[in-house]
Amino acid sequence: GQNIDQPTEMTATEGAIVQINCTYQTSGFNGLFWYQQHAGEAPTFLSYNVLDGLEEKGRFSSFLSRSKGYSYLLLKELQMKDSASYLCACMDSNYQLIWGAGTKLIIKP
Amino acid sequence: DAGVIQSPRHEVTEMGQEVTLRCKPISGHNSLFWYRQTMMRGLELLIYFNNNVPIDDSGMPEDRFSAKMPNASFSTLKIQPSEPRDSAVYFCASKTTLARGRLETQYFGPGTRLLVL
Repeated sequence: GQNIDQPTEMTATEGAIVQINCTYQTSGFNGLFWYQQHAGEAPTFLSYNVLDGLEEKGRFSSFLSRSKGYSYLLLKELQMKDSASYLCACMDSNYQLIWGAGTKLIIKP
Repeated sequence: DAGVIQSPRHEVTEMGQEVTLRCKPISGHNSLFWYRQTMMRGLELLIYFNNNVPIDDSGMPEDRFSAKMPNASFSTLKIQPSEPRDSAVYFCASKTTLARGRLETQYFGPGTRLLVL
């Protein structure tokens, strides 16, 4: 079956670095997306990886290892506004997204 | 671009009533998705359309749920009759399938918060 696993909740301190992991098992693979969702709002696109390696975009970076079925989202210089849920989603062989349950990130001052 | 537009933003209704949710996708996008999100079950895909044609409705919970896309710029999700367990946030999302990879990013509307009493 198809499955996406990510931690339910994480806590970090303002100004610090946090890494949110995602492991996946899908029928085929056509890329991995990370979305951010603030409470009461819609998910918004953060990053896309289809090749192995690190993609950096400002304070946020996303890493992919296809051989390990593994990705992580790295958030640096954490700000209070980064408190949100982070959703990992894989695109399978039919180009359909398989969604993880999301990781709720709590930032403390 | 106005983004994906959904209406209403909030809906409170009584059990047994019909509920109709509406969505206008981003202009030029040819795929449209209806999702339901709850604390217990997370984000669930209900149905999606390609070029106005329903492709996969296996996520639709039961016959009380129906969705239509009469044209490229409008879709509805209807619940009849509604039940308290249908209370959730319903998101509509759209994307293009005219190019692969990053360009297949789904863009979400603001959602409709449905409460069935």
